[in-house]
Amino acid sequence: GAVVSQHPSWVICKSGTSVKIECRSLDFQATTMFWYRQFPKQSLMLMATSNEGSKATYEQGVEKDKFLINHASLTLSTLTVTSAHPEDSSFYICSASGPADTQYFGPGTRLTVL
Amino acid sequence: AQKVTQAQTEISVVEKEDVTLDCVYETRDTTYYLFWYKQPPSGELVFLIRRNSFDEQNEISGRYSWNFQKSTSSFNFTITASQVVDSAVYFCALSGGSWGKFQFGAGTQVVVTP
Repeated sequence: GAVVSQHPSWVICKSGTSVKIECRSLDFQATTMFWYRQFPKQSLMLMATSNEGSKATYEQGVEKDKFLINHASLTLSTLTVTSAHPEDSSFYICSASGPADTQYFGPGTRLTVL
Repeated sequence: AQKVTQAQTEISVVEKEDVTLDCVYETRDTTYYLFWYKQPPSGELVFLIRRNSFDEQNEISGRYSWNFQKSTSSFNFTITASQVVDSAVYFCALSGGSWGKFQFGAGTQVVVTP
């Protein structure tokens, strides 16, 4: 079946550094991918829609200059958290629109900012 | 605007008891999809079911069953004869209009004790 991977699965970084998270569709092409954020014991909140070859669309309240999204190919979208701070610590999950109009979720990336 | 409400924050049951998770949604879209996902402690979302707005048939899959009632905008989920492995957070989600964008409910933590 269709698979979406994320790398890394977890990352710890120092405050002020930037972190890049990759989301890949392994066996299908995805013109659209989505990024979600989940704080501990909370729900998943959509951050942005990533469109291949064009600018991402951000949800209200999400800082586009802080969360840079690049969808440079049909199988890869990246989320870069710039100048990360402890409040950015969260679980980041991507999803991709795949075959049969189905959404496939990645396994998530746990970010801890010290 | 879309909204998904899971009023139950946590449900604790003893193994073999049945447990029903409530989900109420709001949308102005005439075509939409409803989902249930399971999120174990690992964080990875496990797809359980997708139901489109035109299909109000109830569904049973093993110990899982779903009751979709459009008249009350509800999509409830029942686990029959619960097992310890059912312990997880369960999310109800809605996708309509912009396909692929999910609105998740707050989630219900299910705790099954032996």
